[in-house]
Amino acid sequence: EAGVAQSPRYKIIEKRQSVAFWCNPISGHATLYWYQQILGQGPKLLIQFQNNGVVDDSQLPKDRFSAERLKGVDSTLKIQPAKLEDSAVYLCASSLGSVQETQYFGPGTRLLVL
Amino acid sequence: GENVEQHPSTLSVQEGDSAVIKCTYSDSASNYFPWYKQELGKRPQLIIDIRSNVGEKKDQRIAVTLNKTAKHFSLHITETQPEDSAVYFCAAVQMTTDSWGKLQFGAGTQVVVTP
Repeated sequence: EAGVAQSPRYKIIEKRQSVAFWCNPISGHATLYWYQQILGQGPKLLIQFQNNGVVDDSQLPKDRFSAERLKGVDSTLKIQPAKLEDSAVYLCASSLGSVQETQYFGPGTRLLVL
Repeated sequence: GENVEQHPSTLSVQEGDSAVIKCTYSDSASNYFPWYKQELGKRPQLIIDIRSNVGEKKDQRIAVTLNKTAKHFSLHITETQPEDSAVYFCAAVQMTTDSWGKLQFGAGTQVVVTP
């Protein structure tokens, strides 16, 4: 079974630039999550999709972050404009249904904002 | 909202000894508690989880205990091996029939197993 795919794996940008991350969940997984993991901290949920609908985006900084999952499969997360404090690993995860089912994480995208 | 505190932040053990990581949570309604292991540079992976209707769960060398009254849960690793070296995260969430829940992670514990 193929795992969660993410790209790019690494990205270096300057502050105020834009960046986008892509995630392809495990086939058949209805729920998709985007997490931000700052160095030395646990993952923090940014947004959670059920199919192509948003079920939780309460911790997404909506003035600069946006995410979509138009066809209920792949998802993109965008930051515009980036700030220094956005430097982190952005993890995508998916699960069959609810959060009680195992969440499978992708390898993450390591973002460095200079 | 839920707040999860995790201790210790680092734990060094001799190979063969036991390791214990403790987490406390603030929301008494939380009813699902997974533990994730993240090796250096790799993705988090679920290693064990427990629901609020049980007090203990074991899987080979790993066990998790839950004390709902005190609102804390712990991960126990026995007979530690070098491959147990990683960062371990606890998490908590309230799951209901009409809500999806949001996992709140602890800050993580760096476990180092020395031969």
